[in-house]
Amino acid sequence: AQSVSQHNHHVILSEAASLELGCNYSYGGTVNLFWYVQYPGQHLQLLLKYFSGDPLVKGIKGFEAEFIKSKFSFNLRKPSVQWSDTAEYFCAVNLVGTYKYIFGTGTRLKVLA
Amino acid sequence: DAGVIQSPRHEVTEMGQEVTLRCKPISGHNSLFWYRQTMMRGLELLIYFNNNVPIDDSGMPEDRFSAKMPNASFSTLKIQPSEPRDSAVYFCASRSPPGLGSNEQFFGPGTRLTVL
Repeated sequence: AQSVSQHNHHVILSEAASLELGCNYSYGGTVNLFWYVQYPGQHLQLLLKYFSGDPLVKGIKGFEAEFIKSKFSFNLRKPSVQWSDTAEYFCAVNLVGTYKYIFGTGTRLKVLA
Repeated sequence: DAGVIQSPRHEVTEMGQEVTLRCKPISGHNSLFWYRQTMMRGLELLIYFNNNVPIDDSGMPEDRFSAKMPNASFSTLKIQPSEPRDSAVYFCASRSPPGLGSNEQFFGPGTRLTVL
């Protein structure tokens, strides 16, 4: 069965630290990849997405992610986090040609001021 | 565009009562998804509509849950009778037709349901 794994469930960082959140998926076909962010008490918002082309994708608020097809990974990175990045981050995979979106279990990031 | 609209934003009810959650997708979107989010299970897909037709309702937990989409601009999720374990945040999301925009889902603000 298809699945999305986010290995880090809770991450605590100090401001200005670098961030990398892991995301791996299991599916042999073509995928679209997404990272969503959910700020406390709010709904999910799109951070960035990969459909095709350059595997390094840049999103809003200084986030980027790299699609490594051979590793089935789509890790999220930010060179220097801010207190306002405190949120829960979800990786999601859409199986191209289907309606199916599979979400990871989320990573809660807490940034200490 | 106002985005995906959900109502109510918060609902507190007693066990056994009927609960109806409402969703208005983004205009022009033809796919609609209902999700449930809990601490224990994360984000779960309950049901998916395409062109107002339910395509996959395998995520609906049991017969107490039902969903309808009478037209392209409105959907409901009903729980009857409600139970305390139904307490969660329920999100609605919509997506544009393939090839007519990005493939991402746009989420509504959610309905926080508490069943006492």
